[in-house]
Amino acid sequence: DVKVTQSSRYLVKRTGEKVFLECVQDMDHENMFWYRQDPGLGLRLIYFSYDVKMKEKGDIPEGYSVSREKKERFSLILESASTNQTSMYLCASSLSGIVNTDTQYFGPGTRLTVL
Amino acid sequence: GNSVTQMEGPVTLSEEAFLTINCTYTATGYPSLFWYVQYPGEGLQLLLKATKADDKGSNKGFEATYRKETTSFHLEKGSVQVSDSAVYFCALENTGTASKLTFGTGTRLQVTL
Repeated sequence: DVKVTQSSRYLVKRTGEKVFLECVQDMDHENMFWYRQDPGLGLRLIYFSYDVKMKEKGDIPEGYSVSREKKERFSLILESASTNQTSMYLCASSLSGIVNTDTQYFGPGTRLTVL
Repeated sequence: GNSVTQMEGPVTLSEEAFLTINCTYTATGYPSLFWYVQYPGEGLQLLLKATKADDKGSNKGFEATYRKETTSFHLEKGSVQVSDSAVYFCALENTGTASKLTFGTGTRLQVTL
């Protein structure tokens, strides 16, 4: 079974702190994604990566950056956390590279609260 | 741009009732369509998918048919159970963009005894 794990289920940080959210997948997937989930807005794509050291902006990249130094790990970084970044963050991965219909597998999510 | 519209919830049904959750989409090209489910306290998991017009995806008693003429992918189940209580997300895969998905806002289903 594909397993996508996220470093924390719950996280509380203060405004201005630098925050790292880690995601690891164990199935050698090329694609990895970071979403945020907010009530009434569904899931919105922040960043994605289709290969090591490759990254592409999603729909809402402002205030975030990412790092993918190894194939299995995709990190989301909040350089200076703000209260409007309080949200549920979901990581996902999928097998194929470009132009393929493939299932995304999701981690359990990290609920981040910024005070 | 691409978009997915789902019926607003919550949807509250009694056990064994018939379920329909409406989903319509706007997209260029020929996207693949998905339903994901999120059980309480968990991440999303794929429920079913369809990759071309008139395809029917099915899983765990749920079904959805890809209707290109009406740009719809409605989710149905003939007899819901309490264990089906969850949030359901309709999504489309943007053609040629490394499996990027566009999600609807989600529909919460609550099934009672």
